[in-house]
Amino acid sequence: QVQVVESGGGVVQPETSLRLSCAASGFIFSRHAVHWVRQAPGKGLEWVTSISYDENYENYADSVQGRFTISRDSSKNTVYLQMNSLKPDDTAVYYCARGRDGSLDSWGQGTLVTVSS
Amino acid sequence: EIVMTQTPLSSPVTLGQPASISCRSSQSLVHSDGNTYLSWLQQRPGQPPRLLIYRISNRVSGVPDRFSGSGAGTDFTLKISRVEAEDVGVYYCMQGTQFPRTFGQGTKVEIK
Repeated sequence: QVQVVESGGGVVQPETSLRLSCAASGFIFSRHAVHWVRQAPGKGLEWVTSISYDENYENYADSVQGRFTISRDSSKNTVYLQMNSLKPDDTAVYYCARGRDGSLDSWGQGTLVTVSS
Repeated sequence: EIVMTQTPLSSPVTLGQPASISCRSSQSLVHSDGNTYLSWLQQRPGQPPRLLIYRISNRVSGVPDRFSGSGAGTDFTLKISRVEAEDVGVYYCMQGTQFPRTFGQGTKVEIK
């Protein structure tokens, strides 16, 4: 079945970096965009970034533009989120989700990122 | 950026009674390809979000038919015909017409 699994979260200090991974299985990876969505503790959902099925397009929320970079490795069916210059406001559960027909149809369990000194 | 506004933010409902959530976008969600990319997600307590409905009214396989979506342009509605205990959670609308993707604030459905 369709599955996406996030990993790489942890506790980091402000202004440091972290890389998250999203491993996909159960579908043809190269046919779908992949998105990252985050949820701060007790808050709603915030879209972060996405990469097109063919890697030609990347989009970012203003809040992470210039600090976060999304990439994908089709040989590994994996999408990465490189997060630099992390701030306390980046503290959240980060979800990976498959894009389909303008929606996000399969979500992982999420990985928690805590930015704190 | 398209702003998505949901009402109400909280909806206490009696078991077996209907519930309705409104979602309004700050601009039309009709894409240049003619489709309207408005979806609804459910997030049960302690769980990741789950897609319920896409393109306004298309239910995902396995979603009970008591959930229905409707609307057009900038005004959309999610209805639960008879609320069951497993429907407790937060419901979000999301627009997929334009980047950045944006979500409504979420509507908490709880049992009275």
